[in-house]
Amino acid sequence: GENVEQHPSTLSVQEGDSAVIKCTYSDSASNYFPWYKQELGKRPQLIIDIRSNVGEKKDQRIAVTLNKTAKHFSLHITETQPEDSAVYFCAASKGGADGLTFGKGTHLIIQP
Amino acid sequence: GAGVSQSPSNKVTEKGKDVELRCDPISGHTALYWYRQSLGQGLEFLIYFQGNSAPDKSGLPSDRFSAERTGGSVSTLTIQRTQQEDSAVYLCASSSQGTTNEKLFFGSGTQLSVL
Repeated sequence: GENVEQHPSTLSVQEGDSAVIKCTYSDSASNYFPWYKQELGKRPQLIIDIRSNVGEKKDQRIAVTLNKTAKHFSLHITETQPEDSAVYFCAASKGGADGLTFGKGTHLIIQP
Repeated sequence: GAGVSQSPSNKVTEKGKDVELRCDPISGHTALYWYRQSLGQGLEFLIYFQGNSAPDKSGLPSDRFSAERTGGSVSTLTIQRTQQEDSAVYLCASSSQGTTNEKLFFGSGTQLSVL
């Protein structure tokens, strides 16, 4: 089955700086790559997703890039703010019965 | 309801007892998922329902775990003879289209503690 590796496990950045979280996947048939944000004590919520027919997608301060050849994708957050502090999960799916396979998460800490 | 609802929000049980966790998906959502989140860990996929059927049950950790969905709506995850390693947050999610390539709406989870 699919295996998703996520790095780093913890990332601390100064407020206003950029943050980058990277994920790799193993199944070349995967074609959907969402990112979920989970604030402390709350449920995961989708923040952005990308499908395999595009290489990059942006939504305000958040962007995701996908390299199908290398089987990796990344989340980029620019001009970080305190409310960006959370655990971020990447995931991959090929649309079958296996569901989404999640990475282990990155704890993003925004330092004031 | 407006979102995915799970009950109970917290469950403390003794080792060896059976527990039932309930999930009410968003009305009209055909796909329903169960995930397990252990402390400081990622989201472990357990099972996926398309309507009332589960195409693949291989994600369930052991034969002590079972799940069902009736009427294309409510789902119940049952853990028999609970063990301490079953302690985790059990999250349910639903999606509207029934494929696994789309946005999931998560519930708040059930925190299970096995003493």
